[in-house]
Amino acid sequence: EAGVVQSPRYKIIEKKQPVAFWCNPISGHNTLYWYLQNLGQGPELLIRYENEEAVDDSQLPKDRFSAERLKGVDSTLKIQPAELGDSAVYLCASSLSRSGELFFGEGSRLTVL
Amino acid sequence: QKEVEQDPGPLSVPEGAIVSLNCTYSNSAFQYFMWYRQYSRKGPELLMYTYSSGNKEDGRFTAQVDKSSKYISLFIRDSQPSDSATYLCALANAGGTSYGKLTFGQGTILTVHP
Repeated sequence: EAGVVQSPRYKIIEKKQPVAFWCNPISGHNTLYWYLQNLGQGPELLIRYENEEAVDDSQLPKDRFSAERLKGVDSTLKIQPAELGDSAVYLCASSLSRSGELFFGEGSRLTVL
Repeated sequence: QKEVEQDPGPLSVPEGAIVSLNCTYSNSAFQYFMWYRQYSRKGPELLMYTYSSGNKEDGRFTAQVDKSSKYISLFIRDSQPSDSATYLCALANAGGTSYGKLTFGQGTILTVHP
């Protein structure tokens, strides 16, 4: 069974440029998460979806970040415009239930110059 | 004060040693307790999962939860070089809008040398 797939794995952009990350969860997983992981830190939740609905986006900086999960499967996380402090790894995860058994993708590593 | 505190290490041990990794937490609403392992440039993968106080064993790994002290531990017996990774504790609430939201510790970097 395929795991959570994320792309791109690496992205380098100039500040103020836009960037988008894509995630394909494990088939049948209705809960999808985007986490942000700074160097030397644990992941922090940005947004959680139950099917198409964003049920927890309280930590998403909505002035520059947006996310969507059309048809309750794939999801896209966008940053516009990117700032230097956005350099981090963006992790996507999915789960069957909401009890914490998350399956993570390998992450998208963003460098903003 | 962070909700979950974890010593970042780094921790370096010889092969075969017993490793002890720990987290403390402040929010008594946490009901689910997990340990994730993260290799360099990879996503975290679930190692152990429990929702009650006490011990849970899986091969060389033992997870221990003490809710009264708000303290969780992961023990690795007969550690191997392949255990070298960052170990993250993660805790989750059981109800309300926070249901299923994981709060991670900072992660402890472990190196097991031959």
